[in-house]
Amino acid sequence: DGGITQSPKYLFRKEGQNVTLSCEQNLNHDAMYWYRQDPGQGLRLIYYSQIVNDFQKGDIAEGYSVSREKKESFPLTVTSAQKNPTAFYLCASSLTGTGDDGYTFGSGTRLTVV
Amino acid sequence: AQSVTQLDSHVSVSEGTPVLLRCNYSSSYSPSLFWYVQHPNKGLQLLLKYTSAATLVKGINGFEAEFKKSETSFHLTKPSAHMSDAAEYFCVVSLSGNTPLVFGKGTRLSVIA
Repeated sequence: DGGITQSPKYLFRKEGQNVTLSCEQNLNHDAMYWYRQDPGQGLRLIYYSQIVNDFQKGDIAEGYSVSREKKESFPLTVTSAQKNPTAFYLCASSLTGTGDDGYTFGSGTRLTVV
Repeated sequence: AQSVTQLDSHVSVSEGTPVLLRCNYSSSYSPSLFWYVQHPNKGLQLLLKYTSAATLVKGINGFEAEFKKSETSFHLTKPSAHMSDAAEYFCVVSLSGNTPLVFGKGTRLSVIA
């Protein structure tokens, strides 16, 4: 079955560490997105990529980095510069960069700083 | 500028009664509109979408939404709520051009037995 896979489901990070969240899709979608979700704040866009080897900052990119070396993969690194990284992270993809057909979401990664 | 406003942060209904979740948008273009549902600790699932065809859109699990251009609204309804409908619902707008979807802040639906 085609879909979008995020791993791990739960992740714990110590202060000062970088961690990388994985996002893989086998839908042959051109565009991929990373969102952060905090209680009562909806979804906030971190980064997005509409084509391989290209990506753009979203509304809250500070403290995060991404790469898009392959169409299927869009990993997100949460760096030590992110002051409050504890959140639920969602990855999504869409057939084209317009998103007219909507997004397909992964099941999310919950990151906790310990 | 474009935006989407979900008028209620929390809606509570009794099981078997109708559901109404309200959404208004502002856009300079003819938008595509979506409703997504999110159960706790899960990803978002597409309920339905409007893409300039019929103004009344039917989705999964008995939900439907009506696009009203004159009111710039896209409210989500269901005739009879079920306990399994308890979740967070997001109204989403897609504009023309290569810009990401714009998400509302969500409405939490509670269903009381």
